[in-house]
Amino acid sequence: DTAVSQTPKYLVTQMGNDKSIKCEQNLGHDTMYWYKQDSKKFLKIMFSYNNKELIINETVPNRFSPKSPDKAHLNLHINSLELGDSAVYFCASSLGLSGGIPGELFFGEGSRLTVL
Amino acid sequence: QKEVEQNSGPLSVPEGAIASLNCTYSDRGSQSFFWYRQYSGKSPELIMFIYSNGDKEDGRFTAQLNKASQYVSLLIRDSQPSDSATYLCAVTPGGFKTIFGAGTRLFVKA
Repeated sequence: DTAVSQTPKYLVTQMGNDKSIKCEQNLGHDTMYWYKQDSKKFLKIMFSYNNKELIINETVPNRFSPKSPDKAHLNLHINSLELGDSAVYFCASSLGLSGGIPGELFFGEGSRLTVL
Repeated sequence: QKEVEQNSGPLSVPEGAIASLNCTYSDRGSQSFFWYRQYSGKSPELIMFIYSNGDKEDGRFTAQLNKASQYVSLLIRDSQPSDSATYLCAVTPGGFKTIFGAGTRLFVKA
């Protein structure tokens, strides 16, 4: 039973299109994240939600819009895709400040986005 | 200055040797320090965490933290080919944000 699952695992699309990635965690965690990993493996935080509230919003173009319908789900919608958006997008979850190893992240398998 | 810096490598060691991976961070108020391992095409997984100055050992892995020097390291003893991966240093300055370094690629030659 996958702890953090993302769909789809692969997206190939044209510039200018809109796409969404969905994430679900069954760990009972309070906090969820979106990270972007570029071709050089640099993993950069984009957004974080804690109990459905946005708590981290890094310098990300407003074409990227996260949404958390409940604390087990976090989606990412990207409008007007650009070539530079090509990357692997990882969803992650953590217990936040409510226990476990503070800061320990549990990652999904990643969604590889290719913009042509 | 990058918030978390690592030598990107690749670091190549023979099987059975000690692999030494290093990381520095810029936020002196950082509280928690992590090493994640990422195999090619896979997601990162936590292998070590450390909060206090000194050493922490877990099996073949030892994490070392020196807050005065803002330095974290990971030693892998008796390196195995299966240890070949990218090792990501991560730092939590406080709260919910975890900042990653760019990773060091490790190759262990059989």
